[in-house]
Amino acid sequence: GDSVIQMQGQVTLSENDFLFINCTYSTTGYPTLFWYVQYSGEGPQLLLQVTTANNKGSSRGFEATYDKGTTSFHLQKTSVQEIDSAVYYCAMREGTNAYKVIFGKGTHLHVLP
Amino acid sequence: EAGVTQSPRYAVLQEGQAVSFWCDPISGHDTLYWYQQPRDQGPQLLVYFRDEAVIDNSQLPSDRFSAVRPKGTNSTLKIQSAKQGDTATYLCASSGGAGQLYFGEGSKLTVL
Repeated sequence: GDSVIQMQGQVTLSENDFLFINCTYSTTGYPTLFWYVQYSGEGPQLLLQVTTANNKGSSRGFEATYDKGTTSFHLQKTSVQEIDSAVYYCAMREGTNAYKVIFGKGTHLHVLP
Repeated sequence: EAGVTQSPRYAVLQEGQAVSFWCDPISGHDTLYWYQQPRDQGPQLLVYFRDEAVIDNSQLPSDRFSAVRPKGTNSTLKIQSAKQGDTATYLCASSGGAGQLYFGEGSKLTVL
């Protein structure tokens, strides 16, 4: 069935380190892929989204590239800051059912000052 | 523009009690979603609507859970006879068609 896999439950970095969060997906058709960020006590909010039309998305220094060959959608940032500490979710709007959106388990990012 | 509004923010129940969560989506958004988010886990889709119609409720955990959106605007998620395993945050989200999801702050349920 359709799925979104995030293997890293927690990532701890120091300020100015490089961030890489892994995400892979499984579906038929052409999904729209998202990264959402959730701060404590709030609902998730969109960080960036990518469709097959544009392949790459970026926002606030974060970047993700849609690789159909490896079915991956990894999140990267060159230099993290303490304010980036949050939970990051990879999500997918399915290719065959555009209304259904499913989420990965999330990666908790801690950035040390 | 007002965001997605949910109430109550918190609920604490004994096992066997019932609870209802209410969601007011962004005006004009035709699609509404309910997710369950257990502590330290990702949002898990329960049910979603387009206008007043249920598109998919196959992920509602059991017949103790029900959700309605009678006029295609506000929605209510109800849990009958709550169990400890229902402890989670219940998130409502809305979208305009196949656009991004906008989430409310969530309703945090604790079942003792």
